[in-house]
Amino acid sequence: GQQLNQSPQSMFIQEGEDVSMNCTSSSIFNTWLWYKQDPGEGPVLLIALYKAGELTSNGRLTAQFGITRKDSFLNISASIPSDVGIYFCAPVGDSSGTYKYIFGTGTRLKVLA
Amino acid sequence: EPEVTQTPSHQVTQMGQEVILRCVPISNHLYFYWYRQILGQKVEFLVSFYNNEISEKSEIFDDQFSVERPDGSNFTLKIRSTKLEDSAMYFCASSEYQGGSYEQYFGPGTRLTVT
Repeated sequence: GQQLNQSPQSMFIQEGEDVSMNCTSSSIFNTWLWYKQDPGEGPVLLIALYKAGELTSNGRLTAQFGITRKDSFLNISASIPSDVGIYFCAPVGDSSGTYKYIFGTGTRLKVLA
Repeated sequence: EPEVTQTPSHQVTQMGQEVILRCVPISNHLYFYWYRQILGQKVEFLVSFYNNEISEKSEIFDDQFSVERPDGSNFTLKIRSTKLEDSAMYFCASSEYQGGSYEQYFGPGTRLTVT
């Protein structure tokens, strides 16, 4: 079956530092989505990537869709305390043409002021 | 700004009972989804729904689960005979359309506790 690995599992960083996390899969996908989940709330879409090689920014967030279509990374620059939360990658649309939305295991981010 | 709403926010039920979780998707969205998240774990896809029928479902979505759009605004998830392991957060999501945009908007979730 499909394997989706997200790393790191968790990270503690100092406020102002840059953060990087990534996801790799065993399958090719057509789209990579990145979500953030705050405690007790539903995931919120941060960035959507639709083309292999695409690099997209949303404020301090930058994400790239890997050229092999099997991976993606998310960078957060100059982290602030409200960046705390769990970040999930969620690739969509595999080569079989199905649209079962798969979430990564999450990267738990803690920012130390 | 339009948002997905879910009720109740917390549901406690006894094992073997039926529960119905309710969602009101964003009004112009056409695709609807249910996910669950067991405490401390990742978000798991259950089912997607379009044009009054199931589009995709995961292995988790077995015969004890069903979904329905009973009217023009509500989207429900029914669990027929709850088990202890059904305890989780259940999130509803909706998207405008599936083919060109996968951008899903999630509701705040219903915490289901099965005792």
